[in-house]
Amino acid sequence: NAGVTQTPKFQVLKTGQSMTLQCAQDMNHEYMSWYRQDPGMGLRLIHYSVGAGITDQGEVPNGYNVSRSTTEDFPLRLLSAAPSQTSVYFCASRAEGYTEAFFGQGTRLTVV
Amino acid sequence: KNEVEQSPQNLTAQEGEFITINCSYSVGISALHWLQQHPGGGIVSLFMLSSGKKKHGRLIATINIQEKHSSLHITASHPRDSAVYICAALRKTSGSRLTFGEGTQLTVNP
Repeated sequence: NAGVTQTPKFQVLKTGQSMTLQCAQDMNHEYMSWYRQDPGMGLRLIHYSVGAGITDQGEVPNGYNVSRSTTEDFPLRLLSAAPSQTSVYFCASRAEGYTEAFFGQGTRLTVV
Repeated sequence: KNEVEQSPQNLTAQEGEFITINCSYSVGISALHWLQQHPGGGIVSLFMLSSGKKKHGRLIATINIQEKHSSLHITASHPRDSAVYICAALRKTSGSRLTFGEGTQLTVNP
């Protein structure tokens, strides 16, 4: 059981470039989320999804896009990278209800 | 004021000591998670609890719903316990989102 698979692990982008962070889970979880983690701050929610075809914005959605065409996959797109998006990104999934959350390994993104 | 606050932010202990990390929250919750993050590594769930107490090995988590407070205890601490410990509140509203504390950096010295 692979759990939550997140790629890539590291990425360096130039300002203005776009890229997609991949997230896949094999646990048939309804809920999937993307967070960013910055020094001195807790994990902050970027976007989340409660099922295929349903997405919504979190606390810090600007500059990011998501889609959920299947239950398994929840990619995060950076439309035009900015230095302020330098961060560590985590994808997470959980089943509906009061259930444990499972996290990907994280992506360390640097925008220069 | 953050909706989920942890204390202390940093904690250094000697091997064998009993450790307590605290978490207070101001939002209505369905459950509270305790998570562990090792340096350079991912995040793993330690506990999810909505009442009372849970124990797993040397780790104990308690929650007091009336006081909106939870604690994570580590008995007989070991250097391998060194990590960041994060509490996260599973909100009753707002789409059942998780709201995270800033984390507690624990260092256990041999």
